[in-house]
Amino acid sequence: VHLVQSGSDVNKPGSSVKVSCQASGGTSSSYAISWVRQTPGQGLEWMGMIIPMFGITEYIQKFQGRVTFTSDESSKTAYMELSSLRSDDTAIYYCASGSGVDGFDIWGQGTKVTVSS
Amino acid sequence: QPLLTQPPSTSASLGASVTLTCTLSSEYSNYKVDWYQQRPGKGPRFVMRLGTGGIVEIKGDGIPDRFSGMGSGLNRYLTITNIHEEDESNFFCGAAHGSGSNFVYVFGKGTRVTVL
Repeated sequence: VHLVQSGSDVNKPGSSVKVSCQASGGTSSSYAISWVRQTPGQGLEWMGMIIPMFGITEYIQKFQGRVTFTSDESSKTAYMELSSLRSDDTAIYYCASGSGVDGFDIWGQGTKVTVSS
Repeated sequence: QPLLTQPPSTSASLGASVTLTCTLSSEYSNYKVDWYQQRPGKGPRFVMRLGTGGIVEIKGDGIPDRFSGMGSGLNRYLTITNIHEEDESNFFCGAAHGSGSNFVYVFGKGTRVTVL
């Protein structure tokens, strides 16, 4: 199983970014995909998760109202869209297999998002 | 939710052993803890899960036998024996807390391992 993410992105403050995460090699759409971001100051931070088959999403309070997880089962792709970007959203964003209940056994390669005017 | 505390850095000579510590905040001594390895410029890699009591429940694919784990009280340990150059990484611990809309997964700040 592999998770392949979209490439690096540079965005202006106030704009939105959408990161994709495509699964390949024997995945199950009943599995959850979590999103984790990594910043020098905050370290690794779990943002929430989506269960593609059921369209169930959970977001941590910090990101509620600003982040949206979606998925396309036909292409086995999950998406993370973050809006109203601020400079402190500059980070590497990872998708990972699992909801976190049993940890995360597969990780994407990461997508660097830079927020700068 | 639990707080996971890790020393920021440690080092070990090539071929030696090193033990990394992840300390759970009080009240959470029965929590399962996951260990992840992150090599420079790479994404995290699942190393192992330590279950209640600190027993290794599962190891990640391709994790060598020289990686072992155990727990005691609030501490969860990851030991690397016969350390290789390729083991130079950041190691993070993580734990799940709560359920449903109250679920959260928390990470420690990580320990950077330098191989001398």
